[in-house]
Amino acid sequence: KNEVEQSPQNLTAQEGEFITINCSYSVGISALHWLQQHPGGGIVSLFMLSSGKKKHGRLIATINIQEKHSSLHITASHPRDSAVYICAVRYEVSTSGTYKYIFGTGTRLKVLA
Amino acid sequence: DSGVTQTPKHLITATGQRVTLRCSPRSGDLSVYWYQQSLDQGLQFLIQYYNGEERAKGNILERFSAQQFPDLHSELNLSSLELGDSALYFCASSVATGRYNEQFFGPGTRLTVL
Repeated sequence: KNEVEQSPQNLTAQEGEFITINCSYSVGISALHWLQQHPGGGIVSLFMLSSGKKKHGRLIATINIQEKHSSLHITASHPRDSAVYICAVRYEVSTSGTYKYIFGTGTRLKVLA
Repeated sequence: DSGVTQTPKHLITATGQRVTLRCSPRSGDLSVYWYQQSLDQGLQFLIQYYNGEERAKGNILERFSAQQFPDLHSELNLSSLELGDSALYFCASSVATGRYNEQFFGPGTRLTVL
């Protein structure tokens, strides 16, 4: 079982739809990171969070530490949101700052006009 | 444009060879991270440097090594290359090394090993 699992793997939506992408993890983490990878390959950092909720424009990220689960929501989706969305978790392995950083396999989103 | 530059953009080489990938972080960023993205393994964290010192190590093979120079640029050296090393190699930079520091990704270097 992967330490970080995302669902769904693939998602096709119509423009304007509300989209949810899920990320579950199995270890105690210090931070969770949502990334967007464009069709051309470029990667953009969307959110880093360890509790609660963050919002940026039409994107909202939430995390539930007790349930080891995070969601990325896209409101009023648009074709330009078509990309692969990747979650990654960071967990500390020592008090000296050493950590592990594990990626999910990504959710491929396609938004149709 | 993230402000992070990587060279070269593409690299084609043969098995057994050695290559060096270069990364220049955003101005003012002290941390550099290296990642590998392959078709079968997805994204993997390789290593992080902060102000010239190794800070964290991920799934980096012994055949691979990295360093960060006094001017803060970083190089990833890949030796005894195998077909399975073909991948996109990204570097990212951040201001510091804490868990909340936003990372800015470079465009990547696509390595093809024939």
